[in-house]
Amino acid sequence: DAKTTQPPSMDCAEGRAANLPCNHSTISGNEYVYWYRQIHSQGPQYIIHGLKNNETNEMASLIITEDRKSSTLILPHATLRDTAVYYCIVRVAFSNDYKLSFGAGTTVTVRA
Amino acid sequence: DAGVIQSPRHEVTEMGQEVTLRCKPISGHNSLFWYRQTMMRGLELLIYFNNNVPIDDSGMPEDRFSAKMPNASFSTLKIQPSEPRDSAVYFCASSLRRQGASYEQYFGPGTRLTVT
Repeated sequence: DAKTTQPPSMDCAEGRAANLPCNHSTISGNEYVYWYRQIHSQGPQYIIHGLKNNETNEMASLIITEDRKSSTLILPHATLRDTAVYYCIVRVAFSNDYKLSFGAGTTVTVRA
Repeated sequence: DAGVIQSPRHEVTEMGQEVTLRCKPISGHNSLFWYRQTMMRGLELLIYFNNNVPIDDSGMPEDRFSAKMPNASFSTLKIQPSEPRDSAVYFCASSLRRQGASYEQYFGPGTRLTVT
């Protein structure tokens, strides 16, 4: 299984873009990169995922490097409600099913 | 869409009692997951079902834990007998599995279990 490395914490100013890095140097060709977040006392929330192309949705953008060994989640205009733990996860290939292994994540604090 | 529904939201029980946690997945989803979250161990996958069949229960801590999915719209996680170390937040998640596709899991609000 590919492992991920994220910084334990980061701060961001409200209204600014938040760039969350993730390293996954052992990712294999058919593994996806997922991002989830968990706001305090709530269940994890899916944000975005990608294989090798950059992706964007209403919540965030995902930039994956060409060699796929790292990625960056971008929250374009961070708000106080974006304060959460953000998890970068690589899909574990297991037959036709999968499991998501949550690591420690990055605790993002958005400050006014 | 109501999302994943879990009940109860909070449960306080005494050691040795039986505890049953309930989950209603999102309609149309065919995969269901039970997770446990503690400060010490983070978020751990306990078991997951596909089309109501348990596929992998390797995360279930011991025989005191059991999970069932009698139909596509309901699952239970039972702890009997409960112990203080079972105190945690238990999350249920569901997803739609499609052949060859990657897909996201949707989590419920969780059940906070306290065993005294």
